[in-house]
Amino acid sequence: DVKVTQSSRYLVKRTGEKVFLECVQDMDHENMFWYRQDPGLGLRLIYFSYDVKMKEKGDIPEGYSVSREKKERFSLILESASTNQTSMYLCASTPSRGNLNSPLHFGNGTRLTVT
Amino acid sequence: AQSVTQLDSHVSVSEGTPVLLRCNYSSSYSPSLFWYVQHPNKGLQLLLKYTSAATLVKGINGFEAEFKKSETSFHLTKPSAHMSDAAEYFCVVTPRGLNAGNMLTFGGGTRLMVKP
Repeated sequence: DVKVTQSSRYLVKRTGEKVFLECVQDMDHENMFWYRQDPGLGLRLIYFSYDVKMKEKGDIPEGYSVSREKKERFSLILESASTNQTSMYLCASTPSRGNLNSPLHFGNGTRLTVT
Repeated sequence: AQSVTQLDSHVSVSEGTPVLLRCNYSSSYSPSLFWYVQHPNKGLQLLLKYTSAATLVKGINGFEAEFKKSETSFHLTKPSAHMSDAAEYFCVVTPRGLNAGNMLTFGGGTRLMVKP
């Protein structure tokens, strides 16, 4: 069974801090994604990666960056946290691009509060 | 372009009664459609998916959904609710035949409450 692990369940950070959210998957998936989840808005894609050292912007990349140095790990970075980045962050992965419409495998989420 | 509208943000049912969670979509492509469930403090889990075969799709835990192209709908149903069904449910659309996780569009979610 695929396991996607997000290192922190809850985080509280101050405005202006640099924040790292870590995600690791154990099934050799090539594709990894970061979403944020807000009430009434569903999930919105921040960044994604189809390969090591590769990254692409999603729908709402402003204020975020990512790092994928190893295939199994995909990090989301808030360069200077702001209160409007208070949200639930979800990491997900899928197998290679050859698997059409394969479902996303999600981590349990990190709830970030920026004060 | 594509979009998803979940018509109810909250649905409350009694245990043992039917569940209906409504989803309408729009898409410039032939769509694939998914329903995901999120239990408290958990990530999302796939319930079922429609890709192009039978329009009535059966999923886990007794849920099913019917793809109706003429109505652009993909409503989720279950004949008899169980307490463990209390969760948030997301309808998702993507262009069919593409494995592009970046092209998923999520609905706003429906929170299902089940009363004893």
